[in-house]
This record gives sequence, C-alpha cells and structure tokens, in this order.
Amino acid sequence: KNEVEQSPQNLTAQEGEFITINCSYSVGISALHWLQQHPGGGIVSLFMLSSGKKKHGRLIATINIQEKHSSLHITASHPRDSAVYICAAPPSGGSNYKLTFGKGTLLTVNP
Amino acid sequence: DAGVTQSPTHLIKTRGQQVTLRCSPISGHKSVSWYQQVLGQGPQFIFQYYEKEERGRGNFPDRFSARQFPNYSSELNVNALLLGDSALYLCASSPGLSYTDTQYFGPGTRLTVL
Repeated sequence: KNEVEQSPQNLTAQEGEFITINCSYSVGISALHWLQQHPGGGIVSLFMLSSGKKKHGRLIATINIQEKHSSLHITASHPRDSAVYICAAPPSGGSNYKLTFGKGTLLTVNP
Repeated sequence: DAGVTQSPTHLIKTRGQQVTLRCSPISGHKSVSWYQQVLGQGPQFIFQYYEKEERGRGNFPDRFSARQFPNYSSELNVNALLLGDSALYLCASSPGLSYTDTQYFGPGTRLTVL
C-alpha cells in the first residue's frame, strides 16, 4: 500500500502570497494526482502528472519521481483558492484506480 | 456535457438499515470508482468497476457491495448500517483504467447514520 503524506495540514495566507503544499509517498508510482475539494464536498481534479512540471493558470505542480515528492504551488493567491488540496497516488503498475489519498491541506486565503 | 451525477445528495438512516447510492458517469466513461470520505480525512477507495466488472476492492467489509449497469451507471449498497458508515460517498468516472485517465468526481452523497 502506498503511504501518502501531505504538509502542512493547515495553511493560512494573505491574498497575493505564494503558496506551497507538499506531498510525499512511499511507493514508486507512474503518476500523481492533485485534487481540490471545496466546502460541501465536490472534488475537482487539478493535475495528473508523471514527471516534471505542469501549469494551469496560477497553479503549478511539480513532481520528482526519484525522490517520491510532489509540490503544488499557487501564485498570487486569492480568497477563492480557499479549499482543501489533496494529493493521491495510485499503486505501482500504471492503473488509475485504488488511489491512496493524503489527508489534505486546508488552505485559507484571507483578503 | 454533464459531469458525474450522484443521488441522493443527502441521506439520513438509522443503524441496521440498508442504503443504496447511485452514480451516473460522464457520457463515454466506462469506469466508475467509489470512495468513502470520513470528516477530516482523505477519501478511501471502496470499489472500482469497469465494463460492468469489479476491477478493484478496498479494505471494506462485505456489507459494502456495488454493481455497474449496461449504461455504465453504478450503485453502491451498504447493509446493516453502523454509525461509523456516516461519511461523504464519492463516485468518480474515467474513460478507462490507464494512469493517464483522469478521474472526474461527482458532488458526493452525504450519509448520516443515527
């Protein structure tokens, strides 16, 4: 089973700040997912990455497969970015199911 | 295109009862996964179905069962409900099983067991 750990558990920032959320996992994987969950429960898939870096708007995700570590960065944070950010790793073998999720990082961005 | 839909949105049951949760995947998606999310925790994998066959099962008791229909919609059944089954139940669909296939999540069904 893949152990997935995120840090920090809680993060409070001022609008405009640069945010970094970290994720580490124990078993080598082919790809890692970053998800966003807003109050009320809905989950949105932000990134699925297997190497290097991906960027979408103000969100940047990086992964180092050898070090089993990934980071999610938010530039110029905004109160609407307030949500729980979750990383999830599949088992080794290349399938996308049976994801193991981190406990999530609760981000609060104050105006 | 409509996203993943789940019904009902909220549900209140008492211990010992049975519950059925429903999920409709995105059109064209053949894989449906079910997850349980207890308050304050990340989701836990329960089942995955692909082409109407169970492809994976998480560490959940036999009280949990699921099936997928020919139109790829899915139901999750939980028998003999316990207080600990209170959680948000999430359904996710994807085109297939490859790690390159993104999973798209539904809004969830919040189950409260009294």
